[in-house]
Amino acid sequence: GNSVTQMEGPVTLSEEAFLTINCTYTATGYPSLFWYVQYPGEGLQLLLKATKADDKGSNKGFEATYRKETTSFHLEKGSVQVSDSAVYFCALFEQTGANNLFFGTGTRLTVIP
Amino acid sequence: EPEVTQTPSHQVTQMGQEVILRCVPISNHLYFYWYRQILGQKVEFLVSFYNNEISEKSEIFDDQFSVERPDGSNFTLKIRSTKLEDSAMYFCASSVGSTGELFFGEGSRLTVL
Repeated sequence: GNSVTQMEGPVTLSEEAFLTINCTYTATGYPSLFWYVQYPGEGLQLLLKATKADDKGSNKGFEATYRKETTSFHLEKGSVQVSDSAVYFCALFEQTGANNLFFGTGTRLTVIP
Repeated sequence: EPEVTQTPSHQVTQMGQEVILRCVPISNHLYFYWYRQILGQKVEFLVSFYNNEISEKSEIFDDQFSVERPDGSNFTLKIRSTKLEDSAMYFCASSVGSTGELFFGEGSRLTVL
């Protein structure tokens, strides 16, 4: 079956620090991979995506590369800001399978000035 | 920018009562979803809806749950007889196609006493 394993949080970083949030997946086919972000008091928003192996998704300084060989989609940002404080969810979508998003457990990031 | 809207933002109910959560998806979207997030836990898929019928549902979505698109704009989730463990944040989402790129509402928090 499909599943997503995500780095446990919470993560606390100082402003301008480097961020990595690990995500690995299990899928029966060829999923698309996503990072969604949930800012305090808001719903989830799509942050970035990659639809096939070796694709790199990027947005707002965040990046993640779809690595089929390691079944991973780690989220990175070179220099975090206080405004990046949020919960980050890795997710996969397999159109030929269950046809819905499978989410990881979420990682809470707090960036301190 | 178009958005998914949900009402109510918070509902408190007694165990055994019926609850209806309402959602207005983005107008040109064709796929509709309900997810829930129990406090501090992962975002869980409940049901997807396409072409006026349920396309997928999880094991959480038992006979106590139902969905409806009564008038071409609203998308509702009904829980017939609420249980304590139904207390969660319920998120509605919609998408243009079946791609995994979902637009989420801000959620309806349900508290069952």
